[in-house]
Formats: sequence, structure tokens, C-alpha cells
Amino acid sequence: NAGVTQTPKFQVLKTGQSMTLQCAQDMNHNSMYWYRQDPGMGLRLIYYSASEGTTDKGEVPNGYNVSRLNKREFSLRLESAAPSQTSVYFCASSDRSGTEGYEQYFGPGTRLTVT
Amino acid sequence: GESVGLHLPTLSVQEGDNSIINCAYSNSASDYFIWYKQESGKGPQFIIDIRSNMDKRQGQRVTVLLNKTVKHLSLQIAATQPGDSAVYFCAETPRSSASKIIFGSGTRLSIRP
Repeated sequence: NAGVTQTPKFQVLKTGQSMTLQCAQDMNHNSMYWYRQDPGMGLRLIYYSASEGTTDKGEVPNGYNVSRLNKREFSLRLESAAPSQTSVYFCASSDRSGTEGYEQYFGPGTRLTVT
Repeated sequence: GESVGLHLPTLSVQEGDNSIINCAYSNSASDYFIWYKQESGKGPQFIIDIRSNMDKRQGQRVTVLLNKTVKHLSLQIAATQPGDSAVYFCAETPRSSASKIIFGSGTRLSIRP
């Protein structure tokens, strides 16, 4: 049981390049999330998917797109990378959604640098 | 507005002593609170949670206290060990939407031998 896996672990992009961050979970969770974490700051939600087939914007969605490919996989795409998107990106999943509250399981993160 | 903050950015504790990490929140509509631990180079790891209808919850070596009157949350770690060294985040979720979880900026806990 690998939990939440993310690829790649590290990436360097030039301004304007595009890339997709991959995330997969093997816990049969309905909900999946993408966060970014900037130095000395907490996590900020980019996008989330409450269930397969649905996606919604979080706090900081500009410059990103997502795809919930199936129940296991949730990808994050940067169409035209900008230096402001330099950050550590975390994917998470949970088995509850709505107003009940939930425990999230996080992947190891992808460290992205945009030059 | 909604915000989750921490009283201290760093905390140094003697090994074996108890640690107390504090957190303030401003949204009275928050219904669910979570503490996460993040070790260097890793993703956050769930420690313990508490709902707004409770004021205390205990886990293994950890206790979370919630004071809704002053909008204050604390995490107590008993008999702190070197493996407890990490950044600890509190987070809150408004009753209206579990997707709007708000994370604090974190407190770094370091352990003195």
C-alpha cells in the first residue's frame, strides 16, 4: 500500500514551459487535492476533486488546470510556467468530503523551480 | 476574515519534557480542526483532529485542546522525543465546506538532548 505517490520529485522549468504533475492514490479515496507550499508558509489549496468526474477551484487556481483521470489519479498542469509558481506541490487524498471533516493523506511533494 | 495563525514560529524543548504548540483561529464558523506534522522534505502527516462540539481529545502521547470562547487551539505532546522534531501545522475547516481547509503557517519544534 503505497498511499499517495507523486511524480516527479524535482523539476526545473524555464518561464513559459508547460508540465504536468502526476498524483495517484491506492486507498480508494473519493476526494483528492492539490496544494502548494511556499517557504515559511502553510499550504494553500489550488484545486480539489470531491469525487471522480468533478473538479473545483481552491484558493489559488490561477495558472493551473487539473484532470481527475479516474478515481486513483489527479493531475495538475501548468500551461505556461511563471517564476511565481516556484513552490513545493503536494497532492492529498481523503475518504470523506462535505461537511463531516476529513483526514487527508499527503504525498511526498514535487519541488518545482521556474527560472 | 478567515485566518489561522500560530503564536510562536519556533519552539525548543528539552527531550522528555512536554511540548505545547498553540494556534489561534478567527473564523467562528469553523467546525473541524486538525493538527499536522511535517518532517523535513516530506508531506504533512495527520496527527489528531477535533470537532467544535468537543473541547479535548487525546491520542497516543498527544492531546488537542479547543477553547472556542477565545478561538484557541493547542497541541500537547507528552514526553517529547527526538522524532517529534518537525513543523506542526494547525488547520481549520468551516462548517460550510470541507474543501476550504485553511492551514496556519506552522511552528517548528526542535528538541534539545
